[in-house]
Amino acid sequence: AQSVTQLGSHVSVSEGALVLLRCNYSSSVPPYLFWYVQYPNQGLQLLLKYTSAATLVKGINGFEAEFKKSETSFHLTKPSAHMSDAAEYFCAVSANAGGTSYGKLTFGQGTILTVHP
Amino acid sequence: DAGVIQSPRHEVTEMGQEVTLRCKPISGHDYLFWYRQTMMRGLELLIYFNNNVPIDDSGMPEDRFSAKMPNASFSTLKIQPSEPRDSAVYFCASSSPGQNTGELFFGEGSRLTVL
Repeated sequence: AQSVTQLGSHVSVSEGALVLLRCNYSSSVPPYLFWYVQYPNQGLQLLLKYTSAATLVKGINGFEAEFKKSETSFHLTKPSAHMSDAAEYFCAVSANAGGTSYGKLTFGQGTILTVHP
Repeated sequence: DAGVIQSPRHEVTEMGQEVTLRCKPISGHDYLFWYRQTMMRGLELLIYFNNNVPIDDSGMPEDRFSAKMPNASFSTLKIQPSEPRDSAVYFCASSSPGQNTGELFFGEGSRLTVL
């Protein structure tokens, strides 16, 4: 079984500041990990994914995340926030079963990112 | 390529009415998922299909909910009778294990309001 905990339902930063969104996971098997972003009235879009290759994963829009097995964490960062980054962000985990993943994701509760001018 | 297509985008209905939500997955994807999103419960997996066969429906809240996938390019989620607590955004997503990434591709959602 898998689960995800996102620490902080709301995060507020100033434009140009560091963005850090926290995600901890629990999984009984090696996981695949994902970050998705949701803009208002839209579906979820993939930001980046960890699939057991490099532990530092780079995604779209300047975001990156580091898989830390010892800490069971997959925190999302961006060095400099932009107003367009304001959205809700979801961390998700799925089972890495035999080298393939079947897409059955378990999502965290989401973190709403607000960016102030 | 076209993404996952859902219809209707918005539905307002009265309690007791039947609601049918529709989804067309990405061509070639053999997994299809129905999720529900609410403020209180976040994103919940309702049911998923593999090659048109339901694999896990343990997330379907009760017998008022049913889902079908008659062919590889079409799925429906039906609520009968609907209740105000069913108000939510319902997302359809598809994936292809053949891509070996586990990524889900989401539609834009169907926002349901039951009065």
